[in-house]
Amino acid sequence: ETGVTQTPRHLVMGMTNKKSLKCEQHLGHNAMYWYKQSAKKPLELMFVYSLEERVENNSVPSRFSPECPNSSHLFLHLHTLQPEDSALYLCASSQDRGLDQPQHFGDGTRLSIL
Amino acid sequence: RKEVEQDPGPFNVPEGATVAFNCTYSNSASQSFFWYRQDCRKEPKLLMSVYSSGNEDGRFTAQLNRASQYISLLIRDSKLSDSATYLCAVNLLTGGGNKLTFGTGTQLKVEL
Repeated sequence: ETGVTQTPRHLVMGMTNKKSLKCEQHLGHNAMYWYKQSAKKPLELMFVYSLEERVENNSVPSRFSPECPNSSHLFLHLHTLQPEDSALYLCASSQDRGLDQPQHFGDGTRLSIL
Repeated sequence: RKEVEQDPGPFNVPEGATVAFNCTYSNSASQSFFWYRQDCRKEPKLLMSVYSSGNEDGRFTAQLNRASQYISLLIRDSKLSDSATYLCAVNLLTGGGNKLTFGTGTQLKVEL
């Protein structure tokens, strides 16, 4: 069983809807990440949080808004999404941002934009 | 040139075969390396870290070749359950902190 849980597992929404993805890690890690995985493409890093502070935003459109209220929880707020935003959204965590620290993934939210 | 490149496959091998995948990276300053396994419609799961001296975990052996800038994964005595996509990930220290970059993955199909 994964130490990183994501909800919901599946989400279908219209372009005008607002929804949020939730991630919770039970590993005592200090860094959390959001990735986007589209078909035939490598994982794309979206946001990085370290000790609840956003340390990286990889030119992600403002229709994606992350929130990290504490070191165990990470949210991704979605609004006015486009069809090309349909993808698997993965949350990950690592002990810290050390180079030798692997990241552990949640099972993802599969998002479909109508 | 892509930062991390993998042959997408699929590699179709019979059960019991030995199979190897390579993953090349473009930045010689890359400092740590990992192999992940991803089953269809599931999340990536860490398979093993790759150390400079190479490392082995059961039927799996990972190696790093810094001179040629690639890492490899060898699977011996392959099982049907090894069928998955294998992602390599390369960690690099940048101005904004360390960045883990993934390849697109190599698909392995182990057949009877």
